[in-house]
Amino acid sequence: DQQVKQNSPSLSVQEGRISILNCDYTNSMFDYFLWYKKYPAEGPTFLISISSIKDKNEDGRFTVFLNKSAKHLSLHIVPSQPGDSAVYFCAASGQMKTSYDKVIFGPGTSLSVIP
Amino acid sequence: DTEVTQTPKHLVMGMTNKKSLKCEQHMGHRAMYWYKQKAKKPPELMFVYSYEKLSINESVPSRFSPECPNSSLLNLHLHALQPEDSALYLCASSQGRWGGDEKLFFGSGTQLSVL
Repeated sequence: DQQVKQNSPSLSVQEGRISILNCDYTNSMFDYFLWYKKYPAEGPTFLISISSIKDKNEDGRFTVFLNKSAKHLSLHIVPSQPGDSAVYFCAASGQMKTSYDKVIFGPGTSLSVIP
Repeated sequence: DTEVTQTPKHLVMGMTNKKSLKCEQHMGHRAMYWYKQKAKKPPELMFVYSYEKLSINESVPSRFSPECPNSSLLNLHLHALQPEDSALYLCASSQGRWGGDEKLFFGSGTQLSVL
């Protein structure tokens, strides 16, 4: 059973507009959420994160919103640029039964920003 | 230096071959990971080393054998692989503080093809 879901496999957005990528999770033990960006033939790169004690975190053009009651988070990219075209993975971690955190990845959303 | 370096970038091997994947980081991170990623799928955790000790083995077949010679190096020894093991193998590292704020730094991966 997928604990981290990204229900949109792909998204196309015009350059300069807002991109909104969504993520849902099922495990209430998760307390930290991360977004990673991946270009073809490269490893994922950390983009932005948010702790469960916050509902918003902003870093330049990237903002992540967290709605704990809905177990939902979203990544907003404003304005979108062609270089943002990549696969975006939502990931979650939390104190599980062991002393370490396991980072669980969602299936990814492929974003295409059209010039 | 914020790089995780993986070698080789590409590897083609037969089912009877023995090969090794190598990973190196010099960020002082004390946790290192192996992930496997199939096309259009999220990275799947295989192994975690925490302070040079194997702390997670996600029920990976014994034809994959991890090794952590020191805190900067991580190897994955491959023997008698199957064609379905063909995938992108990603190495990652993190500080190992297990406080939730555990950002993973990924290498570019080794694209493995098993014939």
